[in-house]
Amino acid sequence: ETGVTQSPTHLIKTRGQQVTLRCSSQSGHNTVSWYQQALGQGPQFIFQYYREEENGRGNFPPRFSGLQFPNYSSELNVNALELDDSALYLCASSLGSPSGELFFGEGSRLTVL
Amino acid sequence: GIQVEQSPPDLILQEGANSTLRCNFSDSVNNLQWFHQNPWGQLINLFYIPSGTKQNGRLSATTVATERYSLLYISSSQTTDSGVYFCAVEAGSYQLTFGKGTKLSVIP
Repeated sequence: ETGVTQSPTHLIKTRGQQVTLRCSSQSGHNTVSWYQQALGQGPQFIFQYYREEENGRGNFPPRFSGLQFPNYSSELNVNALELDDSALYLCASSLGSPSGELFFGEGSRLTVL
Repeated sequence: GIQVEQSPPDLILQEGANSTLRCNFSDSVNNLQWFHQNPWGQLINLFYIPSGTKQNGRLSATTVATERYSLLYISSSQTTDSGVYFCAVEAGSYQLTFGKGTKLSVIP
């Protein structure tokens, strides 16, 4: 059984640039959620995708957007990067119900200079 | 939204000691999970426990949903138990709300 995988693991961008982060869900899982974790804080919910549709969103501006593909993998896109976007971005997958157990990947650590 | 409070925020243990971590939440929940975040940042699932008691080796957890709290017990702690422990809950809004975590340091 393949777990949740994310890429890239680390990246550095400058203010104003755009970034795309990728996530492959655990085998058999059809729901993907994205979280942002700033240094020293708990993860914050960005949004969730189920059957290729966004079905829940946290308190993040529209420049944070996402996609889910037919194979349930997902992308997180962030436009017009700001310094405060520097964080660990975590992807989680689950099966079916939004209340199902979540399994997280290792994360993508983004630094914005 | 739902509030999640974890205590203590920091904990230092001698190897071999036992500990109890607490998670209080402000509303009824559909889902409660405990995670261990390793030094590389990955959140490792410990328990999915919206109610009841579960055990896995040296770790066990109890959630009393009617009183809105959960406890994580670590027995015979080892240095590899060091890291941050998070409690996270879901209350019908599709998102997990995390507490601020308990940072555990186990010293030899």
